Amino acid sequence: QVQLVQSGAEVKKPGSSVKVSCKASGGTFTNFEISWVRQAPGQGLEWMGRIIPIVDFANYAQRFQGRVTITADKSTSTAYMELSSLTSEDTAVYYCGGGQPLPDYWGQGTLVTVSS
Amino acid sequence: DIQMTQSPSSLSASVGDRVTITCRASQGISDYLAWYQQRPGKGPKLLIYAASTLQSGVPSRFSGSGSGTAFTLTISSLQPEDVATYYCQKYSSGPWTFGQGTKVEIK
Repeated sequence: QVQLVQSGAEVKKPGSSVKVSCKASGGTFTNFEISWVRQAPGQGLEWMGRIIPIVDFANYAQRFQGRVTITADKSTSTAYMELSSLTSEDTAVYYCGGGQPLPDYWGQGTLVTVSS
Repeated sequence: DIQMTQSPSSLSASVGDRVTITCRASQGISDYLAWYQQRPGKGPKLLIYAASTLQSGVPSRFSGSGSGTAFTLTISSLQPEDVATYYCQKYSSGPWTFGQGTKVEIK
């Protein structure tokens, strides 16, 4: 059974960056695509981007272009999402999802709070 | 970017009712359309992909249809455990955009 385990909650200052990890186990990491989705309090799901680790291809939502970087370390079966220039509007739960290609397995979510 | 619009934004129905949610794409996306369920306080769950293919383990009361720009998710007989917010998502080329969600409640 595939499991995705995300890093823990973060509190960040405005203007800083956050890097969330997503470690896969129980499956072949390079068989999956990893998507990153976020959900602000009381809001809907927002797709941020995805990566195909086997070819290191990533694409991003237009509104995050230049501010988000998604990477994957095949040696540790871990994907990362880094978001820079944080504002209070980036306060949200961030989820990683893995699938072929749609996310069928999900991490537990990582709460990122941006506050001065 | 292609925009995804769901309707209604919320609905309330009785147990056993047939429920239909609509999703429209601003441009044609063939059948590159998925539906997700998100129960309160939980992460998303993939229900349907390729517009009409049920993900393994999903109850058969869920079904999807459509192609191009217009899609529907139908729950044939609403159950208490179906209380959730439902999202469509396009996954054709470019960004994989979600609809804004439809909240389903029991009357």
